[in-house]
Amino acid sequence: QKEVEQDPGPLSVPEGAIVSLNCTYSNSAFQYFMWYRQYSRKGPELLMYTYSSGNKEDGRFTAQVDKSSKYISLFIRDSQPSDSATYLCAMSGNQAGTALIFGKGTTLSVSS
Amino acid sequence: NAGVTQTPKFQVLKTGQSMTLQCAQDMNHNSMYWYRQDPGMGLRLIYYSASEGTTDKGEVPNGYNVSRLNKREFSLRLESAAPSQTSVYFCASSVDRASSSPLHFGNGTRLTVT
Repeated sequence: QKEVEQDPGPLSVPEGAIVSLNCTYSNSAFQYFMWYRQYSRKGPELLMYTYSSGNKEDGRFTAQVDKSSKYISLFIRDSQPSDSATYLCAMSGNQAGTALIFGKGTTLSVSS
Repeated sequence: NAGVTQTPKFQVLKTGQSMTLQCAQDMNHNSMYWYRQDPGMGLRLIYYSASEGTTDKGEVPNGYNVSRLNKREFSLRLESAAPSQTSVYFCASSVDRASSSPLHFGNGTRLTVT
């Protein structure tokens, strides 16, 4: 079983839809959870960052962590064409020097 | 504020040729990384430098060497390029190697080896 699993998509939605992106993981030691957004021909950029369980909201974006289920989600409300990108989850444990483990990314397309 | 700058943006090499990918960051970060990104494989860590003067292997180091030239710069060298090294290479930096430090990425070097 891979440490981090992420459905590659592609996921196509109309403008204004609510989007749910998800990752599952197997390592119960993971404590830091991140979502990166990567536009075509660009590098990944940090979108959301959470520690341990719970929700974090930033504008139209909500990150949710359920450690009991080893499942994290990114919700995008009122999706816009500018949200079209690949979204990568990433996570790491508490120990210093622990590598950041990335999912393979989900490609999202929002049509106007 | 430029963040992480990578040069060149594109490169085509013939099998057996060598080249160095350059990376510089202006965020005063201690740690720097080289990743490659391939379709269906995601981001894979090649080498990293936890701090100036140190380098360590990542998940896929074979065929590569690195140099941490100073705190700002971290280069990746391909001594004898192979078609399997065709990929997009990303440099990243972070405040330190603490697991809580998020990575900041450059925009990549697209390398094709024929």
